[in-house]
Amino acid sequence: SQQGEEDPQALSIQEGENATMNCSYKTSINNLQWYRQNSGRGLVHLILIRSNEREKHSGRLRVTLDTSKKSSSLLITASRAADTASYFCATDAKPNYNAGNMLTFGGGTRLMVKP
Amino acid sequence: DVKVTQSSRYLVKRTGEKVFLECVQDMDHENMFWYRQDPGLGLRLIYFSYDVKMKEKGDIPEGYSVSREKKERFSLILESASTNQTSMYLCASSHIPRTVETQYFGPGTRLLVL
Repeated sequence: SQQGEEDPQALSIQEGENATMNCSYKTSINNLQWYRQNSGRGLVHLILIRSNEREKHSGRLRVTLDTSKKSSSLLITASRAADTASYFCATDAKPNYNAGNMLTFGGGTRLMVKP
Repeated sequence: DVKVTQSSRYLVKRTGEKVFLECVQDMDHENMFWYRQDPGLGLRLIYFSYDVKMKEKGDIPEGYSVSREKKERFSLILESASTNQTSMYLCASSHIPRTVETQYFGPGTRLLVL
């Protein structure tokens, strides 16, 4: 199973509303990242939160991290139609390779913002 | 801005063909990665490289090989394409070796194997 799993799998909201996506993971992490993917495109990094941080902001994005619950949330405030995309969380807790920890991605949340 | 480019956006190949997917980054990054993305499965790491001529297997290396002869270029090779390799392939790069940092992704190559 995947290290990071997003919830919900799909979310549909009206423009102007807030969108909240959640990510749960299984093992201890050093950091957690959120990425965005527009349809048929590559991923774009949004924000990184370290294990000793509880909350981080970037523009209309707010990310929280609760290491005791092994979960994170991404809040997009005042959503716009242009926010329509898939959002992925990625964690670094997979030390199975000689080169150190690698990122493990969840299955993503598909967000649709209706104008 | 970091730029990661992939040689093709769309590719159609026949079963048994040898397929080359090329990825180039222009930011002198040490780490490069190849993922495949399938609906409901998220991104799965195929191979990565943290230096020229170095490669490490990811979660699903079977049926794939890679080549990194130059720092800026990381190639994914399907020795004998099969229909179950139909997927979206994403290349990424990051800067600091052996650490987990922001990854920069290319636009992806959608491969269809008939």
